[in-house]
Amino acid sequence: EDQVTQSPEALRLQEGESSSLNCSYTVSGLRGLFWYRQDPGKGPEFLFTLYSAGEEKEKERLKATLTKKESFLHITAPKPEDSATYLCAVQAWRNTGNQFYFGTGTSLTVIP
Amino acid sequence: SAVISQKPSRDICQRGTSLTIQCQVDSQVTMMFWYRQQPGQSLTLIATANQGSEATYESGFVIDKFPISRPNLTFSTLTVSNMSPEDSSIYLCSVERTGADTQYFGPGTRLTVL
Repeated sequence: EDQVTQSPEALRLQEGESSSLNCSYTVSGLRGLFWYRQDPGKGPEFLFTLYSAGEEKEKERLKATLTKKESFLHITAPKPEDSATYLCAVQAWRNTGNQFYFGTGTSLTVIP
Repeated sequence: SAVISQKPSRDICQRGTSLTIQCQVDSQVTMMFWYRQQPGQSLTLIATANQGSEATYESGFVIDKFPISRPNLTFSTLTVSNMSPEDSSIYLCSVERTGADTQYFGPGTRLTVL
C-alpha cells in the first residue's frame, strides 16, 4: 500500500535545540519527495524537492536529505518563527498520471 | 512559484446549502487540484481539474457532491453541495506548473457547516 508516514507527530524544542523530523514512505515509482511548511490557517508553503537517494537541499536553518525509504528534515538551532507543521509528500508516476501522497505532518513548536 | 488566491477565506454555512469556492492563479497552469484537509489530518485529494476536460475525481468523491468548473487556465471553482457538518474542513486548491514538479497551494478556505 502506498503510504507516507511522518514522525514524530508533534515536537517541542527549546530555541537553539537542533533536531530532525522523519518522513518514511512505501511508495513505488518515486519521482520526487517534497517538504512543505504549513502555518495555522494557511496553505502549505513549498520548501524542498528531492529526487534521488543521497541528495541534500538546504535553506537557512533547514536541511532535507533523502535515502531510498525515508527523508529527514534537519532543523539547526531553531527559532520560535520556525514553529509550524511540516508536511512531507511523495510524487509517483501512475497510469493515470502523477500522484501525490501526503503525510500527516509534524507539528513543531519552538519555545523561546 | 505561483501566486494563488482563494475566495472566500472562510465561511459558516447552514446544513443543506451549497458553497462555491473560487481559485485564481496569477499565471496560466495546466494542472489544478482541489484538496480537503480536516482538522489534524493530512491533505486528501478531491479531484484534478484540467482546462477543457471534465474533472477527475478520487475515490470517495463524486461530481454531484463536489462539482468543479475550469473555464480557463487561471481559474477554477469547487462547489460543496448539500452540505452537512461532516463537510466542515479546509479546502485548498493547488497548481502544478509545467517544468516544476511540485505543487503550489492557495491559502485555503475554512468551511464550517452548522
